[in-house]
Amino acid sequence: AQSVTQLGSHVSVSEGALVLLRCNYSSSVPPYLFWYVQYPNQGLQLLLKYTTGATLVKGINGFEAEFKKSETSFHLTKPSAHMSDAAEYFCAVSEPGGSYIPTFGRGTSLIVHP
Amino acid sequence: SAVISQKPSRDICQRGTSLTIQCQVDSQVTMMFWYRQQPGQSLTLIATANQGSEATYESGFVIDKFPISRPNLTFSTLTVSNMSPEDSSIYLCSVEEVTAGGPLGTDTQYFGPGTRLTVL
Repeated sequence: AQSVTQLGSHVSVSEGALVLLRCNYSSSVPPYLFWYVQYPNQGLQLLLKYTTGATLVKGINGFEAEFKKSETSFHLTKPSAHMSDAAEYFCAVSEPGGSYIPTFGRGTSLIVHP
Repeated sequence: SAVISQKPSRDICQRGTSLTIQCQVDSQVTMMFWYRQQPGQSLTLIATANQGSEATYESGFVIDKFPISRPNLTFSTLTVSNMSPEDSSIYLCSVEEVTAGGPLGTDTQYFGPGTRLTVL
């Protein structure tokens, strides 16, 4: 069975500061990992995904995430926060070859202060 | 990636009534999914809808409450029946998109903009 834990329901940063959103997963097979973003009053948009290969994945809007198997983590980072990054971020895991339907974390709300 | 639209984008409904939500995709897809996102919560899968077969419901969701249609490869509807205030949520349609050449065949889900439902 797969599961996702997002540490911190809210993360607050200043504009220009580093963004770090934490995600740990549990999976019985090498997982597929995803980060989605949900802007206010919108649906979910795929930010980036890891399937196989390079463990550092670059996504849209300057975000990136690193798959660390030894730590079962897939933390999302961005070097410099913009006000427009304020949104809800969801980490998700799926198990290729098994139940491919992703399991979502509870989400982390990113707050960006001027 | 597939472009997904949903109608209506939002609605306010009275207790005891039903609402049908439409999901339209700009390409043919095999798998379509319906999720519920309750206020301040993550996504919960309601059911998987394949064209030409009955929808598969997750634990806690039943066909009488959430009937689903999937008449073709680009369209699906979800009905929320006999609504109560507890049904107030965002309802999201998603499709599975397979990366060309992906060895395992299944890859990523893409989401529509959601339908924001308020039940009074």
